[in-house]
Amino acid sequence: EPEVTQTPSHQVTQMGQEVILRCVPISNHLYFYWYRQILGQKVEFLVSFYNNEISEKSEIFDDQFSVERPDGSNFTLKIRSTKLEDSAMYFCASSEAGGTSYNEQFFGPGTRLTVL
Amino acid sequence: AQSVAQPEDQVNVAEGNPLTVKCTYSVSGNPYLFWYVQYPNRGLQFLLKYITGDNLVKGSYGFEAEFNKSQTSFHLKKPSALVSDSALYFCAVRDGRNAGNMLTFGGGTRLMVKP
Repeated sequence: EPEVTQTPSHQVTQMGQEVILRCVPISNHLYFYWYRQILGQKVEFLVSFYNNEISEKSEIFDDQFSVERPDGSNFTLKIRSTKLEDSAMYFCASSEAGGTSYNEQFFGPGTRLTVL
Repeated sequence: AQSVAQPEDQVNVAEGNPLTVKCTYSVSGNPYLFWYVQYPNRGLQFLLKYITGDNLVKGSYGFEAEFNKSQTSFHLKKPSALVSDSALYFCAVRDGRNAGNMLTFGGGTRLMVKP
């Protein structure tokens, strides 16, 4: 069964450093997403991406964040200058369709980001 | 705005007994509702969804959920719990008018099934 994969599984970085989290969505999916879950808190939406552009973003997704689909398979989340409060589990997800369709989103196993 | 509430942090049930995990939601437009399960060190795994049609939807592993529009609820149920059902369960909602597909999640409910 196709799966969303994410690398690395755990990333430790110093405050102020840039990090790139990588995801390989399911191959025939067209919509891509990033969510995060701070320890003990809710899963929160960050951004959705379709047709090489952001289709929606939350208030969390400020100028420190960016997303990119650099090739036909990878989908990345970059945090330019990490803060302590960026420590969280970051989930990538993908879906076959979106917009007014209602396909479920399939989630990867997550990358645990620890900012020291 | 859209929101989800899962009023129980934890639900305990004996194996073989029926289980219910509660969820209520709030959206401006038509609700698209989802249940996901998370096992330790794993991602969120899709269980079932309600978009339209029958209020009772069936999903993976014998789970089902009942959509109740008047009570704005979407409770997850299973007639006979298994120890292997022990996990963290998340309810999520999406506003059907939302083109960006943002899912809003509840805080999660930990289901503990005891032998």
